[in-house]
Amino acid sequence: KQEVTQIPAALSVPEGENLVLNCSFTDSAIYNLQWFRQDPGKGLTSLLLIQSSQREQTSGRLNASLDKSSGRSTLYIAASQPGDSATYLCALDSGGYQKVTFGTGTKLQVIP
Amino acid sequence: KAGVTQTPRYLIKTRGQQVTLSCSPISGHRSVSWYQQTPGQGLQFLFEYFSETQRNKGNFPGRFSGRQFSNSRSEMNVSTLELGDSALYLCASSLVGGDVAFFGQGTRLTVV
Repeated sequence: KQEVTQIPAALSVPEGENLVLNCSFTDSAIYNLQWFRQDPGKGLTSLLLIQSSQREQTSGRLNASLDKSSGRSTLYIAASQPGDSATYLCALDSGGYQKVTFGTGTKLQVIP
Repeated sequence: KAGVTQTPRYLIKTRGQQVTLSCSPISGHRSVSWYQQTPGQGLQFLFEYFSETQRNKGNFPGRFSGRQFSNSRSEMNVSTLELGDSALYLCASSLVGGDVAFFGQGTRLTVV
């Protein structure tokens, strides 16, 4: 059974700081990994999707990496802004039973 | 381009009743997945439908069921509601499944 852990559970940083969010998983047999953000009371917004064969994806100030051998993915946010404040979730698609497993999330607060 | 639409946004039901939630995917998307989000368990995968067929199912009791129509719209049904079914129910659509997922705002179900 896939288990996904995100550390830290909460993070508070001053505006402008670069930061890294971590996602660890136990089963490397994945189809893809997706990073989402969730604002309070809202649905999820997809940030980046990394296919199993890829090592990283970039979009603007965001960069996500995937290392299946170590069971880790990181989301790097450059020059953080108050608008980045949200909960960040990683999700692993195993392509079969139980299909998608979400991490526990990291609640990010960027202080102006 | 309209996003994923979930109706209703809020529901209050009594224990023992049944409930039906609706999800209209983005036009052209054929895969619809459902998730349950609670403070204690986080986000959990319920099931995925593709071309009117259930393709994957999470670890939930048979009280949770769903279907997908020919226009890709999907409904989720929960029978014999329990207090523990109180949650935010999210649906997500994607072109074929395994690609970028777009989430709706969710339906907040409260069972009293």
